Amino acid sequence: GENVEQHPSTLSVQEGDSAVIKCTYSDSASNYFPWYKQELGKRPQLIIDIRSNVGEKKDQRIAVTLNKTAKHFSLHITETQPEDSAVYFCAAFMDSNYQLIWGAGTKLIIKP
Amino acid sequence: KAGVTQTPRYLIKTRGQQVTLSCSPISGHRSVSWYQQTPGQGLQFLFEYFSETQRNKGNFPGRFSGRQFSNSRSEMNVSTLELGDSALYLCASSLDQGQTYEQYFGPGTRLTVT
Repeated sequence: GENVEQHPSTLSVQEGDSAVIKCTYSDSASNYFPWYKQELGKRPQLIIDIRSNVGEKKDQRIAVTLNKTAKHFSLHITETQPEDSAVYFCAAFMDSNYQLIWGAGTKLIIKP
Repeated sequence: KAGVTQTPRYLIKTRGQQVTLSCSPISGHRSVSWYQQTPGQGLQFLFEYFSETQRNKGNFPGRFSGRQFSNSRSEMNVSTLELGDSALYLCASSLDQGQTYEQYFGPGTRLTVT
């Protein structure tokens, strides 16, 4: 079936460095790609999203890039801070079954 | 605006029992989605309701069912509970159907099956 692969499952970076999380999707008709952040013990919250008619979107230290040909999209966090520590989930909206398919999540650890 | 609320927050049941979880969406939101979250398995989609109709369903057995009321509140039912049903159950509401709009999650219901 349709799926979204997310890598890495755990990412540890030094505070101030950049972090990149990558996702690959299977349905070429997918047209919406959100990223959610879930801090420990809290609910997931949308941090950024991108639609298939856009190649890149930025919001302060966070950016998402989309490569429709390769069917992958990435989350970039620059100048990481302790509060960036969380689990990040990517997702892709599959037009084939009209459903949001989620990646397995990436645990981001920011080392002081 | 009040956020998404879920009741109860914690639940302990034994195998074979059934359980009903409730979700109240943000006022004005007509779409409610349900997810199961377990460590290492991420968010598994259960189903989505929009205007009292189930519009989409994930790959879960028929023991998992749901419904939505005219005020957009939604309930999820799991019958004949199994140990593997222990998880955090999250609901999320959004303005529109199809999940291509921001989803606002509730705090979840932690279900433990013994």
